[in-house]
Formats: sequence, structure tokens, C-alpha cells
Amino acid sequence: QQQVKQSPQSLIVQKGGISIINCAYENTAFDYFPWYQQFPGKGPALLIAIRPDVSEKKEGRFTISFNKSAKQFSLHIMDSQPGDSATYFCAASIRGGTSYGKLTFGQGTILTVHP
Amino acid sequence: GAVVSQHPSRVICKSGTSVKIECRSLDFQATTMFWYRQFPKKSLMLMATSNEGSKATYEQGVEKDKFLINHASLTLSTLTVTSAHPEDSSFYICSARESGTSGRYTQYFGPGTRLTVL
Repeated sequence: QQQVKQSPQSLIVQKGGISIINCAYENTAFDYFPWYQQFPGKGPALLIAIRPDVSEKKEGRFTISFNKSAKQFSLHIMDSQPGDSATYFCAASIRGGTSYGKLTFGQGTILTVHP
Repeated sequence: GAVVSQHPSRVICKSGTSVKIECRSLDFQATTMFWYRQFPKKSLMLMATSNEGSKATYEQGVEKDKFLINHASLTLSTLTVTSAHPEDSSFYICSARESGTSGRYTQYFGPGTRLTVL
């Protein structure tokens, strides 16, 4: 019930295209959903995050879409660039209780953007 | 923005020795820090939650005597891998959550430490 399932495992997109990564969760107690970007040999960097009280959040070329009833959320990268090539992780956490703030990560998606 | 540093970035040690990894929040105070382990091409696995001034909480299956965690101040947590063996070789990453901000629990990650045990 603590799992977050992420797909696809890998994604190849042409420059200028839209990259879409999907995540699904089971635990309805999750109330914070961040996306992280990780380059090889580096720590994850927070890209964008959403709370379940909104259905969409946009920051620059990055948009999170959230479907509470389906327990799914996705990351859309518009106008994808070769510099976006990295591994992307979705995550979820619970606000309260003993699991407060602990992130549960998806399996990761390796994005490759061809020039 | 919030910056978390780790030291060292890479360490190579002999089997049986102990290695200490430091995690610092540079421009904010962190009541809680987290330690993760990541294998190549895999996701992050939470090892333990480190709370300032109290004992760390370890995830199931993580040996607390093997991975000693100390969170002595609001800006520093350390992970000591005791009697390291080759199977402990991994990428260790810490994160810190800013304290004192009600409702906020964004985690900021350090750059990671690559441990190689020979």
C-alpha cells in the first residue's frame, strides 16, 4: 500500500516534443506529490510538487497533472530539450503520523531527448 | 534556495574499516534528515530518519549497528558505515527537511557520496 508505481521505465523523445511520465499510488493518506530530477552521479533535485487539492500545477515547461479519484499523477515536460535527459522520480509522502514527511519513491524513468 | 552538502563525495576504503559521511544543511535548519541508499539504475531506498537530539529511526531490514546515525545539531547529520564490506558499496544520499515552517515538508537532497569498499 506504500508503493508508488512509475511508468515508463525509459522514454525517448525528440527535441521539442512532450515527455510524459506517469505514477500511480494506492495509499489515500498520501498528500504531497513531488517530482525529482537526477543526473548521473548527483543527488535528486526537486522539480515541482503538488498537493491533492489541485488538479494541475505548472512551472515553466513542467506541469503536474493530478487525478485524485484515479490515484494517479503525471509529469509533462513541454518542449523537451537534450539537457532534460536525466532520470525522473515521482514520490509521495504523508503529512502526519509516524510516516510524517517520509518519501516513497517510484521506480524512476530514464528520459533521453534526442537533438 | 536550500542547499544540502555531503562530504566526502567519493570514498574508497578497505574491507573492515569504518567510514563516516557528513550531511549538512547550509542555509537552513533541519530538524529532520533522511539517509538513502541507491544502487545503479535503481530508485532511492530510505535507510533511516534522523531527528536532531534523538535516536534515529531505521527502516525495516537496515542494521542500526551497521549504519550509525548521529544528528547532533540542526545543520549536521552523520552516517557511519561500520566494518564496511564490499556489499556496502553504494551511492549514499542524504536529504534535509526545513524545520520551523508549518505545513512545509519539502526535502532537499545532497549531492550523494559514492562508497567503494575493496
